[in-house]
Amino acid sequence: GAVVSQHPSWVICKSGTSVKIECRSLDFQATTMFWYRQFPKQSLMLMATSNEGSKATYEQGVEKDKFLINHASLTLSTLTVTSAHPEDSSFYICSAPTSGRAGGEQFFGPGTRLTVL
Amino acid sequence: GNSVTQMEGPVTLSEEAFLTINCTYTATGYPSLFWYVQYPGEGLQLLLKATKADDKGSNKGFEATYRKETTSFHLEKGSVQVSDSAVYFCALNSIYNQGGKLIFGQGTELSVKP
Repeated sequence: GAVVSQHPSWVICKSGTSVKIECRSLDFQATTMFWYRQFPKQSLMLMATSNEGSKATYEQGVEKDKFLINHASLTLSTLTVTSAHPEDSSFYICSAPTSGRAGGEQFFGPGTRLTVL
Repeated sequence: GNSVTQMEGPVTLSEEAFLTINCTYTATGYPSLFWYVQYPGEGLQLLLKATKADDKGSNKGFEATYRKETTSFHLEKGSVQVSDSAVYFCALNSIYNQGGKLIFGQGTELSVKP
């Protein structure tokens, strides 16, 4: 199956710093990628849809200035958590559909665990 | 709007027991349905899928049948193993969803004891 990677797999930072998380599709091109956040023992919460060549689409309640998304190429999307605080600590997961057709299969990255001290 | 409801966990079973995790959905049109599995500390892996009514998805001994009449996609396995311990997510994807977003259920944690 298709492979999606994330980097880093975990990061610990001090409060007030910014953290960048990369999501790459390794063997296919993705014009769309999705960013999720997952709290312990809970389901995935969709944060935003990353669109290559255009602005990201954020879900209701997600601060676009806090969570900056850049879809730099057909294989790379980045999520930057700006001025991180302890409440931003979470597991961040990206996914990408292998086809442009809505309703198709999505592949997930392994996730990035962010801990803000 | 579209939604997915799963049975609450945690589900605790003995090895070789029969597993059923219920999943029902509400959706516009004809969604594709998926089961994903998440092992501790990892991302999600696709377990199986079905794209139209009466389709049966299967993988690694797990099965689920797309039942449009009952809007259900229950996950079953005849004999679970300790290695099946994980969190299982039911999800749907509809062409009517903007951008093809996946809608997830709340997840069901499965714990299999030896």
